[in-house]
Amino acid sequence: ETGVTQTPRHLVMGMTNKKSLKCEQHLGHNAMYWYKQSAKKPLELMFVYNFKEQTENNSVPSRFSPECPNSSHLFLHLHTLQPEDSALYLCASSHLWDSFNYGYTFGSGTRLTVV
Amino acid sequence: ELKVEQNPLFLSMQEGKNYTIYCNYSTTSDRLYWYRQDPGKSLESLFVLLSNGAVKQEGRLMASLDTKARLSTLHITAAVHDLSATYFCAASPSDYKLSFGAGTTVTVRA
Repeated sequence: ETGVTQTPRHLVMGMTNKKSLKCEQHLGHNAMYWYKQSAKKPLELMFVYNFKEQTENNSVPSRFSPECPNSSHLFLHLHTLQPEDSALYLCASSHLWDSFNYGYTFGSGTRLTVV
Repeated sequence: ELKVEQNPLFLSMQEGKNYTIYCNYSTTSDRLYWYRQDPGKSLESLFVLLSNGAVKQEGRLMASLDTKARLSTLHITAAVHDLSATYFCAASPSDYKLSFGAGTTVTVRA
C-alpha cells in the first residue's frame, strides 16, 4: 500500500456508460494528478490539482471530467468514452513545494477497458 | 516541451551481468527521478537525483545525473531475477510537473 488508494482496480465499460474513478490519499499532500498510461507510450499527464484547484488540463477531451472536492480526494468522471481510451489510469499526489525534492507517490491504478 | 527518452525500451538481462539504462531529456531540468513498476502495480520511487553529479545507490542499483549532458543512467550490477520490472525516469520542467520517459522493461533470465 503506497498511501494513495485508487478504486476500482479494474473497470470495463461500454461507450455509452458513465462511470467514475476514485483516488484518495492521506499523506497530507496538497497536489494531486491524473496520468494515463497506454501500452508502449510514456505516461501522459492529464490533470493537475493544487489545493483543490485545477491548475493544468493537458488538452484532455471533455469526455474526461475531473473533480477534486478536497485535498485528499480526486475523481475522474468518464462518459461516452472511446475504445482508444482503454488504458491504466494512475493517480499521484505530492507536496506542492516538495515535488522537486521527493517526486510523486502513485496509486496502483485503475485498468480501464472500453468496449 | 520537455521530452524524456529512455533506451533501451526492452532489456533482457542475464543473471550476474551488469547493464545500464539511459535517460536523456531535452531541456533544462535540475532534478531527475527513477521509478520502478511491477506488472499490475503502482510506480515505486527508487531515486531522486537533486543536482549535477549526484549519485545514489541502493542494493544492485546505482543512478547518476549529468545535467550538462542532460543524461541520467541507471546501472544494474550483477542482475538478479527480482529486478525484473519496468523502470521509468522522469524529469521536471517546473516546480511540480514530472515528464516521464516511455519506460524500460527489464527481464532477467537465468
